[in-house]
Amino acid sequence: GESVGLHLPTLSVQEGDNSIINCAYSNSASDYFIWYKQESGKGPQFIIDIRSNMDKRQGQRVTVLLNKTVKHLSLQIAATQPGDSAVYFCAENPPGGGYNKLIFGAGTRLAVHP
Amino acid sequence: EAQVTQNPRYLITVTGKKLTVTCSQNMNHEYMSWYRQDPGLGLRQIYYSMNVEVTDKGDVPEGYKVSRKEKRNFPLILESPSPNQTSLYFCASSRRGDTQYFGPGTRLTVL
Repeated sequence: GESVGLHLPTLSVQEGDNSIINCAYSNSASDYFIWYKQESGKGPQFIIDIRSNMDKRQGQRVTVLLNKTVKHLSLQIAATQPGDSAVYFCAENPPGGGYNKLIFGAGTRLAVHP
Repeated sequence: EAQVTQNPRYLITVTGKKLTVTCSQNMNHEYMSWYRQDPGLGLRQIYYSMNVEVTDKGDVPEGYKVSRKEKRNFPLILESPSPNQTSLYFCASSRRGDTQYFGPGTRLTVL
């Protein structure tokens, strides 16, 4: 697969544990945030999003938390499974450019061990 | 099946030889974008388009061109590729106000 994960911070967890992946975003005026999952050899895949008028949003096994005070975003994965192993990216939508303008973080690799 | 397709998936070329990477979506999305992905840098937006004949620069547009003559297609053109454009390229599309869906990627190597 493509070597997109070189030099990335890595979070190693045991199967069944909960995972928390953190992200600091850059623009305090950003009003829309997304988490993407990228498996080796594939394009990024949407996981969950949140708008700036919320501080928490839950999906299936995933929760996103937004702390606008410190410009911090986190992704929590419950009962982590081997299929969750991937690189995770946060993205922010800054003002201007509509929803099509996204700025991505560098990514975090999640490694799930049996 | 709803999808974003890119062609070619892999391309090796030489400096200065013009190339085009095609992107097509079958979801009738207004918005389309091109990104490049490099190790340790995440995804950086090259160009985006909010509708037919409406395009704008992203964060790293130098050395690239795009066109949006039809809603479904958004080709990326490298008029004179250079080795620093060796990268993994992704096309994405979305409805207005919705999240972006990414294609499978094109690995480009410029010698």
